[in-house]
Amino acid sequence: EPEVTQTPSHQVTQMGQEVILRCVPISNHLYFYWYRQILGQKVEFLVSFYNNEISEKSEIFDDQFSVERPDGSNFTLKIRSTKLEDSAMYFCASREPGQGVLDSNQPQHFGDGTRLSIL
Amino acid sequence: AQKVTQAQTEISVVEKEDVTLDCVYETRDTTYYLFWYKQPPSGELVFLIRRNSFDEQNEISGRYSWNFQKSTSSFNFTITASQVVDSAVYFCALSELYNQGGKLIFGQGTELSVKP
Repeated sequence: EPEVTQTPSHQVTQMGQEVILRCVPISNHLYFYWYRQILGQKVEFLVSFYNNEISEKSEIFDDQFSVERPDGSNFTLKIRSTKLEDSAMYFCASREPGQGVLDSNQPQHFGDGTRLSIL
Repeated sequence: AQKVTQAQTEISVVEKEDVTLDCVYETRDTTYYLFWYKQPPSGELVFLIRRNSFDEQNEISGRYSWNFQKSTSSFNFTITASQVVDSAVYFCALSELYNQGGKLIFGQGTELSVKP
């Protein structure tokens, strides 16, 4: 069964450094997402991406964050200058389009996550 | 505003017991979608079930069943004859039709512990 893959599984970075988290969504999916989960807390939406542009972003997704789909297969999340509070598990998700009124109905499939630790 | 509340933070049961996980949601949209995801100790998020707001028929799938009550804005999830492998954090999530990006709004999660 096709799956979303994320690399690396664990990233340790010094505060202030740039980090890029990588994701390969399921191939026929058109909607892409990043979420984060601070240890022991709920999963929080960061950004959604469709048709090569951001559809929506949360308050968390400030100017330090950016997303890109550089080559039609990878979907990346960049944090420009990491802070201690960026330490979390970051999940990539993708979904296929629905049909008409059911467009948001298709379930999102998640990768295994990247655990980001900022020192 | 959209919101998902899972009032049960932790539940502990003995194997073979039935267990129901509660979920209450808030949305201003008349068409929306509800999901349950499972997060086992290994950390991944696994899609379990979904329900459209315009389809209130409750269903059973194997040991899983769900009870969608639009009148009380609840979407409860039941595991019948629980097993140790069911031990995980379970998240209820909401997606709204008007939100073209289709983001998921998650509840806080319920940690289920099934003891042998």
